[in-house]
Amino acid sequence: AQKITQTQPGMFVQEKEAVTLDCTYDTSDQSYGLFWYKQPSSGEMIFLIYQGSYDEQNATEGRYSLNFQKARKSANLVISASQLGDSAMYFCAMFHFGNEKLTFGTGTRL
Amino acid sequence: EAQVTQNPRYLITVTGKKLTVTCSQNMNHEYMSWYRQDPGLGLRQIYYSMNVEVTDKGDVPEGYKVSRKEKRNFPLILESPSPNQTSLYFCASSLSTGSDTQYFGPGTRLTVL
Repeated sequence: AQKITQTQPGMFVQEKEAVTLDCTYDTSDQSYGLFWYKQPSSGEMIFLIYQGSYDEQNATEGRYSLNFQKARKSANLVISASQLGDSAMYFCAMFHFGNEKLTFGTGTRL
Repeated sequence: EAQVTQNPRYLITVTGKKLTVTCSQNMNHEYMSWYRQDPGLGLRQIYYSMNVEVTDKGDVPEGYKVSRKEKRNFPLILESPSPNQTSLYFCASSLSTGSDTQYFGPGTRLTVL
């Protein structure tokens, strides 16, 4: 069964600094995708970034980058130049191509 | 405007009273799914649908039913709600599979007394 682990329930970062949110995953399959979503206090879910398991380059979207280390099964989110508006809950999720399911971690509050 | 809508946004009900939460998307997406969000547990997938008349269980399907008679609609049915189904529910859709970006609805906060 696939599993996503986010070990940091809460993180603090100063404005303008970078922060890394950890995400590790467990799967025996080779074909999967990894997502990060942001949930501000207003409650909506906002897509941030996606990394496919076969993508050789780390994904980047503006101030967001995904540090993908396949051998370590980690997909950490790096937010550069943090802003006040980055305060939110962040969820890592994994899509499993074999069964079409999407599994979320428990989230990190930044 | 491309969006996923859910109704109602808030619902308080009593144990055993059947209810339906509607979900509709206007993006012609094939993949739709339901999640529940509980403190400390993140989001957990309840059911998902790959296309019309194709549905499958997620990780926590017990106590829920779904149907996909039309591409745009994916209602969540609680035949006999219980207090442990008190939660925040999200509907989401994506273009063709769950590997595409999921577009989430605004959420439905359900309280079962």
